[in-house]
Amino acid sequence: GAVVSQHPSWVICKSGTSVKIECRSLDFQATTMFWYRQFPKQSLMLMATSNEGSKATYEQGVEKDKFLINHASLTLSTLTVTSAHPEDSSFYICSARAEGLDPSEQYFGPGTRLTVT
Amino acid sequence: AQSVAQPEDQVNVAEGNPLTVKCTYSVSGNPYLFWYVQYPNRGLQFLLKYITGDNLVKGSYGFEAEFNKSQTSFHLKKPSALVSDSALYFCAVRDGWSGGYQKVTFGTGTKLQVIP
Repeated sequence: GAVVSQHPSWVICKSGTSVKIECRSLDFQATTMFWYRQFPKQSLMLMATSNEGSKATYEQGVEKDKFLINHASLTLSTLTVTSAHPEDSSFYICSARAEGLDPSEQYFGPGTRLTVT
Repeated sequence: AQSVAQPEDQVNVAEGNPLTVKCTYSVSGNPYLFWYVQYPNRGLQFLLKYITGDNLVKGSYGFEAEFNKSQTSFHLKKPSALVSDSALYFCAVRDGWSGGYQKVTFGTGTKLQVIP
């Protein structure tokens, strides 16, 4: 089946620094990628949708300047958390879709655990 | 907005016994519902979906879900639980559009623990 990878799987950074998370589709071309945030004992919250070669669409309440998303190629999207603070600590998950409108064709990465100290 | 609720944070079941993970939904119009499973350190995996048709939907790994319109429920079931079924299960509903594609809203998740 389609595989989506994320790197790194976990990262610890100091408050005020920026951290970049990569999401790659390994065996298919992802025209659309989604970035989610998952808090403990809470559901996945969609942060933004990114289409290859265009600007990301952010959900209401998500700061565009803080969570920079780049979808430069059909196999790679990156999420950069700028000037990270402890409240940004969370589990970030990406998913990728190849084509079609059926959400069941969304393939999820394993997630990245971000801890900001 | 559409939403789903998973009333149980955790469900414990003995291996070999039937299991049920509950989900209720709140939608305007026809619901388009999903179940996903998340194993530790792995991404979410699609189990099954309901669009229209038979109320009993069969999915991966022997799971099935029953759509009940009168009770607005979409409970996940399996006749005989395996220890390997232990994971985090998410109910989800199609909910609007983002960036030209349909969004999915997830429930809070239910941790299933199958006891040997």
